Amino acid sequence: DSGVTQTPKHLITATGQRVTLRCSPRSGDLSVYWYQQSLDQGLQFLIQYYNGEERAKGNILERFSAQQFPDLHSELNLSSLELGDSALYFCASSLGQSTGGYTFGSGTRLTVV
Amino acid sequence: GENVEQHPSTLSVQEGDSAVIKCTYSDSASNYFPWYKQELGKGPQLIIDIRSNVGEKKDQRIAVTLNKTAKHFSLHITETQPEDSAVYFCAASKGNTGTASKLTFGTGTRLQVTL
Repeated sequence: DSGVTQTPKHLITATGQRVTLRCSPRSGDLSVYWYQQSLDQGLQFLIQYYNGEERAKGNILERFSAQQFPDLHSELNLSSLELGDSALYFCASSLGQSTGGYTFGSGTRLTVV
Repeated sequence: GENVEQHPSTLSVQEGDSAVIKCTYSDSASNYFPWYKQELGKGPQLIIDIRSNVGEKKDQRIAVTLNKTAKHFSLHITETQPEDSAVYFCAASKGNTGTASKLTFGTGTRLQVTL
């Protein structure tokens, strides 16, 4: 157990629908990062939050949005889903006060049918 | 922005042999270089990292080397074992104190250790 909790583990939904992925960071970590991993693809950075504020944006579609709440958990909202959105979505956290690696959660596998 | 290239994309070695994975980065300001191992169905796990003020770091059978001038870094696994089979990702960031900095990942290397 890495200490980063992602729910749900699996999600199957239809095109056009909206889903919410949830992430609880490791205790004490202030930064949360969201990454998308498609089949046989690397880890594509979506967005970073630090202590409730957006800090960096990557290749995140306008149909996607995220937020970090006062208790530091984060949610990634995906709307108007398309078949191509099917992927593994990982959340990672870091302390945020010094350089260091992330701790990843086990991911949410999203399948859009 | 930062771009990280990783080679090879697949690597097959016999048990007991060594494996080397290489990465190059584009942003000379990058100063933190971690390596992650991802097993099937799991999230990436940090296995070793190196900072720009160090040229080499070793942890048991795993070592990482960094050449800042050439902007490349490598992962070396010696005496490979079947449990080393996984996908390995390199990454780079311009870490800074305060808000942390996002990691840019390479495209991954699928390592297979055969008996």
